[in-house]
Amino acid sequence: ETGVTQTPRHLVMGMTNKKSLKCEQHLGHNAMYWYKQSAKKPLELMFVYNFKEQTENNSVPSRFSPECPNSSHLFLHLHTLQPEDSALYLCASSQGWTGGYNEQFFGPGTRLTVL
Amino acid sequence: AQKITQTQPGMFVQEKEAVTLDCTYDTSDQSYGLFWYKQPSSGEMIFLIYQGSYDEQNATEGRYSLNFQKARKSANLVISASQLGDSAMYFCAMREGQEYGNKLVFGAGTILRVKS
Repeated sequence: ETGVTQTPRHLVMGMTNKKSLKCEQHLGHNAMYWYKQSAKKPLELMFVYNFKEQTENNSVPSRFSPECPNSSHLFLHLHTLQPEDSALYLCASSQGWTGGYNEQFFGPGTRLTVL
Repeated sequence: AQKITQTQPGMFVQEKEAVTLDCTYDTSDQSYGLFWYKQPSSGEMIFLIYQGSYDEQNATEGRYSLNFQKARKSANLVISASQLGDSAMYFCAMREGQEYGNKLVFGAGTILRVKS
């Protein structure tokens, strides 16, 4: 595997379900990101982890719970979601969080549908 | 105010022609970076080109070039010799000063369709 991978690619869940999204980066990067992409809205940054420590939480509802066990893996745990949470969830990674040019590499995303 | 504005919701271009996708930005920082990403229908965001605020030359990457006009706060993407595979959504993004870390703010995007 190369780059940034995400599983599952598609997920349909009911509002009472609990599910998790997984992201893995094979680039040796230290920073990882979760973005939400809703229809007709710009990409929204949700969370950032740098060296496994959360550095950004962009006022995300608590029904989204991130976890970063190491610099290569990032999870997004989902519970009691709402239909408006249906979106494409993108994971990204970069070499660092600070210090100049840090291109973000994105995964293919998980298309989430909440019924 | 919007940090990144992409005024063209959709654009058409004839294959082999050049096309310019507009992007204007708003920041009071002196140090910032501007990025362009391509998102095909598969969903993955693909990095295209980067321009730093202190870079004197316009950035170029193959068929992609960035027309950076600092005084106008614009960073338009120029795609030369369009190909059918260029059909996708294109996003302009900005990273502001160091105190914001590597946080990117994205525009709403422009859908580009290349006609054969």
